[in-house]
Amino acid sequence: EPEVTQTPSHQVTQMGQEVILRCVPISNHLYFYWYRQILGQKVEFLVSFYNNEISEKSEIFDDQFSVERPDGSNFTLKIRSTKLEDSAMYFCASTASGRRGTGELFFGEGSRLTVL
Amino acid sequence: AQSVTQLDSQVPVFEEAPVELRCNYSSSVSVYLFWYVQYPNQGLQLLLKYLSGSTLVKGINGFEAEFNKSQTSFHLRKPSVHISDTAEYFCAVTNNNAGNMLTFGGGTRLMVKP
Repeated sequence: EPEVTQTPSHQVTQMGQEVILRCVPISNHLYFYWYRQILGQKVEFLVSFYNNEISEKSEIFDDQFSVERPDGSNFTLKIRSTKLEDSAMYFCASTASGRRGTGELFFGEGSRLTVL
Repeated sequence: AQSVTQLDSQVPVFEEAPVELRCNYSSSVSVYLFWYVQYPNQGLQLLLKYLSGSTLVKGINGFEAEFNKSQTSFHLRKPSVHISDTAEYFCAVTNNNAGNMLTFGGGTRLMVKP
């Protein structure tokens, strides 16, 4: 069964360092998402991406964040200068249906980011 | 704006007992509702969804949920749980405008004991 894969599973970094989280969405999916979950808090939407551009983004997704699809398979989330409050589990998701889709997303296992 | 509240952060239950995980939502427009499950060391997996039509929705692994518009609820139920149902369960909501930008509840950890 096709699945969304994420790397690394866990990354520890120093405050102020750049971090790139990688995702390989399901191959025939066209819509990609990043969500995050700070420990003890709700899963929150960060950004959606389609046709090589951001479709929607939340208030959380400020200038420190960027997303990219550098090739035909990877979808990355970059945090330019990490802060302590960026420590969270980051989930990548993909779907074949678009913005007016119905929320059936396929999620990866998550990448846990710890900022020291 | 929309929001989701899962009233129970943890629900311990014995194997083969019935279980109900509660979910209430708030929205000013018509909603689509979902339950996702996260097994240990895995990603979120769709359990079931309500888009329209019948208010009783059946999902995988014997789970079902009922959409109650008057009570703004979408509680998840299973008549007899197994040890393998131990997981974190997330209720989520979206609408026709928000599309795939889901708003999640805080999650309920279901702990099935032998």
